[in-house]
Amino acid sequence: DVVMTQSPLSLPVTLGQPASISCRSSQSLVHSDGRTYLHWFQQRPGQSPRRLIYRISNRESGVPDRFSGSGSGTDFTLKISRVEAEDVGIYYCMQGTHWPRAFGQGTRLEI
Amino acid sequence: QVQLVQSGGEIKMPGASVKVSCKASGFTLTTQSIGWVRQAPGQGLEWVGWINPYNGNINYAQNFQGRVTLTTDTSTNIAYMELRSLRSDDTAVYYCARGAQFDSWGQGTLVIVSS
Repeated sequence: DVVMTQSPLSLPVTLGQPASISCRSSQSLVHSDGRTYLHWFQQRPGQSPRRLIYRISNRESGVPDRFSGSGSGTDFTLKISRVEAEDVGIYYCMQGTHWPRAFGQGTRLEI
Repeated sequence: QVQLVQSGGEIKMPGASVKVSCKASGFTLTTQSIGWVRQAPGQGLEWVGWINPYNGNINYAQNFQGRVTLTTDTSTNIAYMELRSLRSDDTAVYYCARGAQFDSWGQGTLVIVSS
């Protein structure tokens, strides 16, 4: 099974400053269809997770452009250019290429 | 718009079963699959399984094999997750999500297993 490893697990940040979260997979996430199914989810306190970015770098509708995703193969990064108070929560990467699906451990972003 | 509305919280005794429902709107289960994820208190997300009503494909996480059953009722557009032989460590919020890539999520259903 694919293992997803995030770092750091806790990320204290200052408002207005950038933040970066790393996600590594134990195998390549390139699917046989040529696409890479690596997604990022945000879970605000007390809420359900929501998908922020799909297939490495595509923002969901309504997601601010301060969020960006990058990477390839087995190494991926979520960046927030300038952290705002509403960004507090836990961020998870998830691989959707292989069965079973797998999430990273989560990174807690705190101000 | 796409919406997934789950059934209410449950309290169960160890050894019992629970069945959580997930009603879909804004799309039909004849064309979209449903996945299930759980989150134990203070813990991360754990993938439970996935069902594609269109072709009958189902995948279960190894941890749940033999104890979980995923079904759908396309006439009512509702998906179900049944978990049997409940243990205290099954206490968690259970989420349904759309598709194999989880683009929309339900509000979650808290299942408490306690004697």
